[in-house]
Amino acid sequence: GQQVMQIPQYQHVQEGEDFTTYCNSSTTLSNIQWYKQRPGGHPVFLIQLVKSGEVKKQKRLTFQFGEAKKNSSLHITATQTTDVGTYFCAVPTGSNDYKLSFGAGTTVTVRA
Amino acid sequence: DGGITQSPKYLFRKEGQNVTLSCEQNLNHDAMYWYRQDPGQGLRLIYYSQIVNDFQKGDIAEGYSVSREKKESFPLTVTSAQKNPTAFYLCATQMSGTGGNSPLHFGNGTRLTVT
Repeated sequence: GQQVMQIPQYQHVQEGEDFTTYCNSSTTLSNIQWYKQRPGGHPVFLIQLVKSGEVKKQKRLTFQFGEAKKNSSLHITATQTTDVGTYFCAVPTGSNDYKLSFGAGTTVTVRA
Repeated sequence: DGGITQSPKYLFRKEGQNVTLSCEQNLNHDAMYWYRQDPGQGLRLIYYSQIVNDFQKGDIAEGYSVSREKKESFPLTVTSAQKNPTAFYLCATQMSGTGGNSPLHFGNGTRLTVT
């Protein structure tokens, strides 16, 4: 089953505010990927983190990989209505990196 | 993503019938995946295939079967043994030779309803 916990499950955000979603694993990860799924759509790849302590930015999105490579976060600043959707993290599980397991996702809604 | 075709978009079946979901890709990717998504939930891995003529069970393979006779195609059969088949099914591909460390590209999905 899934080996990564993602919190919170739901995030209701006022437009313009910031929020953060987290993924936590009990085991050390070789890498972690983040995806966004718009309502009614399919998941779309956002970014991959590989190195301990790595921080990557995409405009208002900041992704971080923990020093121990067991957790990761996605921080969105100045939330916009275009940020609506579900954000998933995905990690390799088992003995084969091809087996990718997804977190349960954080569903974000925005109040204008 | 362009290059991955799942058909049909919506599929309706009666309980007790097997149904096959199509996934075709022209991205020349070796690895292909099938995930299931239930309302308000994450993606759960059903089966995956790293190369032609080889595939492995994911976390929820019971009641499903796959084949990988061609690189371009990875059909999923939902059998009558699957207790709760109604769900959104997503096919994905992954670039070759990366050991799993590259992004998944998803098709638009098939929404299966069994009554």
